[in-house]
Amino acid sequence: GESVGLHLPTLSVQEGDNSIINCAYSNSASDYFIWYKQESGKGPQFIIDIRSNMDKRQGQRVTVLLNKTVKHLSLQIAATQPGDSAVYFCAENIFRKNYGQNFVFGPGTRLSVLP
Amino acid sequence: SAVISQKPSRDICQRGTSLTIQCQVDSQVTMMFWYRQQPGQSLTLIATANQGSEATYESGFVIDKFPISRPNLTFSTLTVSNLSPEDSSIYLCSVMRDTQYFGPGTRLTVL
Repeated sequence: GESVGLHLPTLSVQEGDNSIINCAYSNSASDYFIWYKQESGKGPQFIIDIRSNMDKRQGQRVTVLLNKTVKHLSLQIAATQPGDSAVYFCAENIFRKNYGQNFVFGPGTRLSVLP
Repeated sequence: SAVISQKPSRDICQRGTSLTIQCQVDSQVTMMFWYRQQPGQSLTLIATANQGSEATYESGFVIDKFPISRPNLTFSTLTVSNLSPEDSSIYLCSVMRDTQYFGPGTRLTVL
């Protein structure tokens, strides 16, 4: 079936360093991807998205890269801060007949920022 | 963006009972979704709830166990019926607008 996976289930980085969180997706027809941040006890929070007609998109301290050739998505966080500690999920938009559009989520990466 | 609230935020229930979770959105949306997030896991879609039609359930989820109502374009409920400890999870309401937004979740513990 369709799946979205992550290469690194946990990631520890020093405060101030850059973080890179990776995600592999399997549906080559997917045209829209989202990164979410989930802090403990909260719902997922939208960080940044990208459509398949782009290969890079930048936000505030975050950049998402999309490589459609190898079906790979990454989230880069610049100058990682303690407040960035959370679980990060990638989500892939799929369309299924009789179901319509919805998102498939990756397993998540826990980012720990070390002082 | 979308402002989504859920009630209750958490509950502890006895085996065999049911819990109904409410989801309220700040303005009208066509597509609402219910997800389950088991401890330490990712999000799994339970069903899509569109106003004016029956909810569409994902494989492994059935209406008898997870009945859903969608009476209008700003509100939905999910009931988790005949609770067992395996139902202990976070249940999340989500809406689709310019992108997908999530509510804060309902943490259910079944004893």
